[in-house]
Amino acid sequence: AQSVTQPDIHITVSEGASLELRCNYSYGATPYLFWYVQSPGQGLQLLLKYFSGDTLVQGIKGFEAEFKRSQSSFNLRKPSVHWSDAAEYFCAVGARGAQKLVFGQGTRLTINP
Amino acid sequence: DAMVIQNPRYQVTQFGKPVTLSCSQTLNHNVMYWYQQKSSQAPKLLFHYYDKDFNNEADTPDNFQSRRPNTSFCFLDIRSPGLGDAAMYLCATSWRTGQGEQFFGPGTRLTVL
Repeated sequence: AQSVTQPDIHITVSEGASLELRCNYSYGATPYLFWYVQSPGQGLQLLLKYFSGDTLVQGIKGFEAEFKRSQSSFNLRKPSVHWSDAAEYFCAVGARGAQKLVFGQGTRLTINP
Repeated sequence: DAMVIQNPRYQVTQFGKPVTLSCSQTLNHNVMYWYQQKSSQAPKLLFHYYDKDFNNEADTPDNFQSRRPNTSFCFLDIRSPGLGDAAMYLCATSWRTGQGEQFFGPGTRLTVL
């Protein structure tokens, strides 16, 4: 069975600082990997996804993530955060051919002015 | 724009009074999902439809039912809401033969008095 761990429940960074949110997954084969963002009171918006190929994927809003098979990780990065990036971030993993996603517990990002 | 729409955005009901939440999509996706999300938690899958085939999660209470009358619409019925059912309810869609990416609606915030 798949599982996803986001080790950081809450992260605070200053506006303009760089950001890295961690995600580790457990799955026997190459998974589909996703990062979603959720603003308060809203649904989930897809930031980026990895299916195959280049292990560094670019997403919306200046985010990128790198798939590292050896570390079973898919960490999300942004070089310079903006106050509008404050939100909850969820990493998710899907199995090829399956219809369901497994979500991590989420990381809440706070931005200091 | 193609999208997932949820109505209403906010729903207040009384303890034990049946309530129905609505989801519609213009993406023509063949899979539709209902998630329950409580504060500061990951979305929890309740059930999903692949076309007309209903797939219930093992731990979804019998109090929760769903209907999918056609490709575009899916309903979540809570037969006798309890205080513990107060949550955000998220609808999502995907392609069965896709790569697992799910598209989310904005959610319905349910309050139980």
